[in-house]
Amino acid sequence: GIQVEQSPPDLILQEGANSTLRCNFSDSVNNLQWFHQNPWGQLINLFYIPSGTKQNGRLSATTVATERYSLLYISSSQTTDSGVYFCAVATGGSEKLVFGKGTKLTVNP
Amino acid sequence: DTGVSQDPRHKITKRGQNVTFRCDPISEHNRLYWYRQTLGQGPEFLTYFQNEAQLEKSRLLSDRFSAERPKGSFSTLEIQRTEQGDSAMYLCASSVAGYSYNEQFFGPGTRLTVL
Repeated sequence: GIQVEQSPPDLILQEGANSTLRCNFSDSVNNLQWFHQNPWGQLINLFYIPSGTKQNGRLSATTVATERYSLLYISSSQTTDSGVYFCAVATGGSEKLVFGKGTKLTVNP
Repeated sequence: DTGVSQDPRHKITKRGQNVTFRCDPISEHNRLYWYRQTLGQGPEFLTYFQNEAQLEKSRLLSDRFSAERPKGSFSTLEIQRTEQGDSAMYLCASSVAGYSYNEQFFGPGTRLTVL
């Protein structure tokens, strides 16, 4: 099956810093989503981005489908950005999402 | 517009007992998914429905697990004869089936602890 690798596994930042999270996948995809999981376990949708570039406030994402990677950019980080960020993909005729192991982000004040 | 809801939010049970979880999708979402997440890992797919039809099942879904979506609206996930290894967060998601668009939205999850 498709492999999803996220890097870095852990990231510690000072408030106000910028960061880039990476997601590599091993096959072509028809769905790619980025999520933020809060401390209570809720998965919050950030981007639906199987290709192209999108921006939402301080967050933006780019997926280069031909090179099989996606990037999530967080600018001017805030303590509320802390949590685990997951990349998830679906491939072929399957609708199931395959998740990476996540990047744990800690933003210190 | 309410999101995906799950009930109960927490369940503690003894090994060998049966448990049942409920998921209510976003209204008019015809696809419904179940995932399981253990500590420190990403969610893993269990099964999904389009309307009332169960279209895909993971090998993770052993014979002790059964899911239903009888009227194409809410869904239930039952685990029979629970084992300690079943302790996890059970997540439900829903989406609208559409050509080249299938964004999934997740509920808050049911955290199961098997003693």
